[in-house]
Amino acid sequence: SQQGEEDPQALSIQEGENATMNCSYKTSINNLQWYRQNSGRGLVHLILIRSNEREKHSGRLRVTLDTSKKSSSLLITASRAADTASYFCATGGSNTGTASKLTFGTGTRLQVTL
Amino acid sequence: NAGVTQTPKFRVLKTGQSMTLLCAQDMNHEYMYWYRQDPGMGLRLIHYSVGEGTTAKGEVPDGYNVSRLKKQNFLLGLESAAPSQTSVYFCASRAHGGGNQPQHFGDGTRLSIL
Repeated sequence: SQQGEEDPQALSIQEGENATMNCSYKTSINNLQWYRQNSGRGLVHLILIRSNEREKHSGRLRVTLDTSKKSSSLLITASRAADTASYFCATGGSNTGTASKLTFGTGTRLQVTL
Repeated sequence: NAGVTQTPKFRVLKTGQSMTLLCAQDMNHEYMYWYRQDPGMGLRLIHYSVGEGTTAKGEVPDGYNVSRLKKQNFLLGLESAAPSQTSVYFCASRAHGGGNQPQHFGDGTRLSIL
């Protein structure tokens, strides 16, 4: 079963607007990661936030993590047409048996129009 | 900078046929993973390896076998292909580092079982 559920499933915005997508998960985590997937390609790592962090920035990306609510959000500011892709959250487990694996959410499809 | 290379990129099989998907990484990573991606399901872990000569089951291992004879290669085998195994298969690798390491993905193998 999927650990993460993402919301919304699809998002359409205009270039220059901000895009926010959310991820909820079920069990305790060591870290949460966000990946981007362009059509027909593999996933590309964007950003990692550890369980003891609340916010992290990387360029136009801002990620927040609320472990009490078991949720994270990814904000892309000043979006560009090139940001059109699917975005996935993935959680790294905190237990010995789960620490070496990631569990992926179902993804948010972002469409940025000119 | 090849990263993670998957071969073949596309394949069509008949039910009952067998085949092997090859994943090769040139980053000297300890960990390697095989996922399948189906519409609306995100990525699901099939098998993974935490080092040369080791393999472990993921979320959906039935119908698949794997081998990690060399550190840089991770093979995924389908002994008797079934239509339910029609999917896009992704290989990933990551460095050792307590789980807080990003995974690097190949561009996938698109497999159709008729």
